[in-house]
Amino acid sequence: QKEVEQDPGPLSVPEGAIVSLNCTYSNSAFQYFMWYRQYSRKGPELLMYTYSSGNKEDGRFTAQVDKSSKYISLFIRDSQPSDSATYLCAMSPGLYGNNRLAFGKGNQVVVIP
Amino acid sequence: EAEVAQSPRYKITEKSQAVAFWCDPISGHATLYWYRQILGQGPELLVQFQDESVVDDSQLPKDRFSAERLKGVDSTLKIQPAELGDSAMYLCASSLDSPITGYEQYFGPGTRLTVT
Repeated sequence: QKEVEQDPGPLSVPEGAIVSLNCTYSNSAFQYFMWYRQYSRKGPELLMYTYSSGNKEDGRFTAQVDKSSKYISLFIRDSQPSDSATYLCAMSPGLYGNNRLAFGKGNQVVVIP
Repeated sequence: EAEVAQSPRYKITEKSQAVAFWCDPISGHATLYWYRQILGQGPELLVQFQDESVVDDSQLPKDRFSAERLKGVDSTLKIQPAELGDSAMYLCASSLDSPITGYEQYFGPGTRLTVT
C-alpha cells in the first residue's frame, strides 16, 4: 500500500461547477498537508497547505484535513477554464530537514467553458 | 520573479548512454531537491541537498545515478548508463527553509527525458 492514495481518474466539469478532489493516507506521522497545481509541461506550484486537522480557505479554494480518517480534500468553487490542470496532494511529517514530501498520483481536471 | 532554472528542457538519449541535467535554484535557497516524475504519477524524491551536503539520497539508484552540488548553489544530476525505465520528467526544486518566510518548495519547469 502506498503512503498516499489519490484516484488519478480525470475529471471534466462545466465552468462554474464545484470541483472536489481527495486523498487518503496511511502514515500517522503526517502533519503537513499540501495541494499542488501542475499545468501541462510545467513544474508543480504550491496552492495551499494545512497543518494538522481543520479547514483552510483561500479565495475559491478550500482545503480540508480529517486526521482521524486520514483523509484530505480540496474544493474549487466557481471553477474556471484556467483551473484546468493536474492537482497533486502531498504530505510530510515536518516542513524541513529530513522530511520527505509524499505525493499522490494527481488528478487531471478539465473545466469546460 | 525569481524562478528555479533547469536545462535542458527536453532530452532524448539512447539506452546505455550518459545524460546530465542541470539546476540553478532560486538565489539564497539553501535546500535543493531532485525529483523524478513518471507520467501519470506524483513526483518522487531522488536526492535532497542542504547547501553542498546530501540530506537524503535513500531513493537514488546509486548504481547509475549521481548528484552533486559542489559549491552549494547549482546542481547536476547524472545518469550513466540510461535505461528505458528512466524515461520521466526530472524536476528540481529549492526552498529557503525560514521560520519567517516559510518552507515552500519552488519547482523548476523540469527536464523531460526520453530513453530510446
